[in-house]
Amino acid sequence: SQQGEEDPQALSIQEGENATMNCSYKTSINNLQWYRQNSGRGLVHLILIRSNEREKHSGRLRVTLDTSKKSSSLLITASRAADTASYFCATYTGANSKLTFGKGITLSVRP
Amino acid sequence: DTGVSQDPRHKITKRGQNVTFRCDPISEHNRLYWYRQTLGQGPEFLTYFQNEAQLEKSRLLSDRFSAERPKGSFSTLEIQRTEQGDSAMYLCASSLLAGSYEQYFGPGTRLTVT
Repeated sequence: SQQGEEDPQALSIQEGENATMNCSYKTSINNLQWYRQNSGRGLVHLILIRSNEREKHSGRLRVTLDTSKKSSSLLITASRAADTASYFCATYTGANSKLTFGKGITLSVRP
Repeated sequence: DTGVSQDPRHKITKRGQNVTFRCDPISEHNRLYWYRQTLGQGPEFLTYFQNEAQLEKSRLLSDRFSAERPKGSFSTLEIQRTEQGDSAMYLCASSLLAGSYEQYFGPGTRLTVT
């Protein structure tokens, strides 16, 4: 079963604009991670935020976590055409080391 | 390149045939995971190993599926008597035993069952 649900399912923006993607989950977590997947390829880890953190930055990425609302958001600033990909949130409960992924968000960045 | 590698990248097989996929994790990683991903969905957990021990199997993993990780290095995933519903991308990932929970994914093996 998939715990995380991303919103929106698809997002199309112009290069240079910011992209915001949201993720909601159902159970308590140890951490939440965001991954990127280019078409037909493997997943690449972007950023991890622990349950006791509220905000984290990495380059053009900013992720927030609200454990009271069981939600997270990923902001990509100054988007580039190369950011075009599917983005997945994944939750880790610590119970058995597996990640539970959402269905993903398809981001298209128009040059 | 010292990332996770998977072989083959693509496999087309006829229904009823057996297939085997291989995954080579990052060498110092103790944990190895298998996921299955169908079109438009996120990866779904199948099973994971800590060193050579298989610690958990998803209910998605029917008795036609078996995975091994001899000597705690590479792993194989075998599907016996393949069905059309087995068509998917099979992803392998590895991670360190302790500390980081980040998983490093391979490029995947795309299976098509005709």
